[in-house]
Amino acid sequence: DADVTQTPRNRITKTGKRIMLECSQTKGHDRMYWYRQDPGLGLRLIYYSFDVKDINKGEISDGYSVSRQAQAKFSLSLESAIPNQTALYFCATSDTRQGGFFQPQHFGDGTRLSIL
Amino acid sequence: DQQVKQNSPSLSVQEGRISILNCDYTNSMFDYFLWYKKYPAEGPTFLISISSIKDKNEDGRFTVFLNKSAKHLSLHIVPSQPGDSAVYFCAASGIGSGNTGKLIFGQGTTLQVKP
Repeated sequence: DADVTQTPRNRITKTGKRIMLECSQTKGHDRMYWYRQDPGLGLRLIYYSFDVKDINKGEISDGYSVSRQAQAKFSLSLESAIPNQTALYFCATSDTRQGGFFQPQHFGDGTRLSIL
Repeated sequence: DQQVKQNSPSLSVQEGRISILNCDYTNSMFDYFLWYKKYPAEGPTFLISISSIKDKNEDGRFTVFLNKSAKHLSLHIVPSQPGDSAVYFCAASGIGSGNTGKLIFGQGTTLQVKP
């Protein structure tokens, strides 16, 4: 079983719809992140969470919201989807309790989202 | 404002030869650098990292070099194998990204290793 699981893996929806992408982890890591990948732009950070009560905006948070329902679960919502939110979305986790900030992030396999 | 740049979108090498992937950064406050490998339909996988207190880190066939004065890092793969064909992302973190553990990624380089 994957340590970081994203659902759904693929989603096609229409402009204006509300969409939720879910991420769960079995690694017991404290930090969780949401990124989007666009061709030619690499991965850009949308939101990140240090723990259940600590949510922070990333580079491109406009149009998105998140919820950290438990240490293991971090969901990303698009309240009213628009076509330029079509992208590949990745969830990641890291464990900072063992060595400060310099811990690699571990990624799920992504959700491919298309907004028509 | 792209703080981490991979200026070569693609690279093709012959099996057995060396692959050199390059990455430049602009923020001198970055102090931790990572390379990730990504296959199609999978998430990025951590490959190797280097702290700014070092100039080289080696792990098997993979070596990362850091030149702080030039704000440049490179990933060397020797010898290259067809299974190394993937997209490679460099990323930076540390005080330069607010000391929060956030990663700033480059655009990625697609490596093709030909048999």
